[in-house]
Amino acid sequence: DAKTTQPPSMDCAEGRAANLPCNHSTISGNEYVYWYRQIHSQGPQYIIHGLKNNETNEMASLIITEDRKSSTLILPHATLRDTAVYYCIVRENRDDKIIFGKGTRLHILP
Amino acid sequence: EAGVVQSPRYKIIEKKQPVAFWCNPISGHNTLYWYRQNLGQGPELLIRYENEEAVDDSQLPKDRFSAERLKGVDSTLKIQPAELGDSAVYLCASSTRRGAAENIQYFGAGTRLSVL
Repeated sequence: DAKTTQPPSMDCAEGRAANLPCNHSTISGNEYVYWYRQIHSQGPQYIIHGLKNNETNEMASLIITEDRKSSTLILPHATLRDTAVYYCIVRENRDDKIIFGKGTRLHILP
Repeated sequence: EAGVVQSPRYKIIEKKQPVAFWCNPISGHNTLYWYRQNLGQGPELLIRYENEEAVDDSQLPKDRFSAERLKGVDSTLKIQPAELGDSAVYLCASSTRRGAAENIQYFGAGTRLSVL
C-alpha cells in the first residue's frame, strides 16, 4: 500500500501557484519524499525529491514540514500544460521500488 | 539523449491471443522495470531487472506473463494467453544510481492494451 495520502483532485487558475499537499505521517528517517506527475497518455515524469530540507528546481518547489509528516509541492506559475495526475511517494533511496497511490488530479483552469 | 522507448503504443487483441511489448531503456541504465496501470489507478510494479537478472518478480502473474532481458539492455514482456482483465497500460521504466541521494526512474510512454 502507498504510504501517502493525497486529495483526489484540485483546481488551480492558470498563472497562479498550485499547492499540492501530501500526508506521510508514517515516514521513517531514511525515507525521501518524491513527486512524479503523469500527463494524459504519457508515462510518469519525475519532478523533485527531498529528505528534510526544502528543495527547488526548474519545475517546482518542495516544502517538507519540520516533523516530515507532510509536504507540499508548489508549481509557482501553473500553465495548462501542468494539468496532470501528481503522485507523492516516500521511499528509501536504496530501495528501487516505487509504490504509487492514486495521486491528485490537478486541473488548471484557463 | 533518447528516453525510454516502448512499442507498440497501442495494441488490440482478442482474448486468448498472445501479445508482446518491447522496451528499450535509456543507454547506460542497468535497472529496468515493467509496470501495469489500470484505469484510474497508479502504476503497479510487475518485475524489476538489474542488468539481465530479474530481482523482483513477486507481482508478475507467472501463469500467463513472462519477461526477458537477455543482454541486459532491451526487454520484452509477454502475455499468453491474454484475458479481458489484462486490458491496461503497460509501462517500462529505467534507472541508474547517482550516489545515495538520487534514484530516479524514467518512464516510457507505455503500451495501451485492449483485450476484446
